[in-house]
Amino acid sequence: ETGVTQSPTHLIKTRGQQVTLRCSSQSGHNTVSWYQQALGQGPQFIFQYYREEENGRGNFPPRFSGLQFPNYSSELNVNALELDDSALYLCASSSSSSYNEQFFGPGTRLTVL
Amino acid sequence: EDKVVQSPLSLVVHEGDTVTLNCSYEVTNFRSLLWYKQEKKAPTFLFMLTSSGIEKKSGRLSSILDKKELFSILNITATQTGDSAVYLCAVDHPSGGGADGLTFGKGTHLIIQP
Repeated sequence: ETGVTQSPTHLIKTRGQQVTLRCSSQSGHNTVSWYQQALGQGPQFIFQYYREEENGRGNFPPRFSGLQFPNYSSELNVNALELDDSALYLCASSSSSSYNEQFFGPGTRLTVL
Repeated sequence: EDKVVQSPLSLVVHEGDTVTLNCSYEVTNFRSLLWYKQEKKAPTFLFMLTSSGIEKKSGRLSSILDKKELFSILNITATQTGDSAVYLCAVDHPSGGGADGLTFGKGTHLIIQP
């Protein structure tokens, strides 16, 4: 069984740029959720994708957007980067029969200068 | 506003001690409470609790939920240095009939000294 993978591991961008983060879900999982974890804080829910549609969104502005592909992998896109976007971005996958039991990937550490 | 509060925020104990981590919550439409261990990056799943009073156990770790008083505890007995990590509590509380994400607490940073 393959776990959740994310790429890249680290990324450095400057203010105003755009970034795309990628996530491959665990084998057999069709639901992907994205979280932002600032230093010293718990993860904050950004949004969730199920069957290629957004299926729930947290309190994040529209410049945070996503996609899910037919193989259930997913992308998180952030436009017009701000300094406060610096964080660890975590992807979690789950199955539709147990979607609250989420399994996390190793994350992408984004630094915005 | 929905919230999940963990205490203590940090804890330092010696190897062999027993620790109790706390998680209280105030959310609408509670469905389940989950515990995760985060060592470097990826939180790893420990327990999911849905019913009051039923203890879940895995080795030296155990957890229980009280839905009347709205809290959960995570116990670790005979602690080892490998237990050093941030322990995250999260609550699943879907709104609007759809599936939403988990609401996390800030975590308890546990350090086990040899």
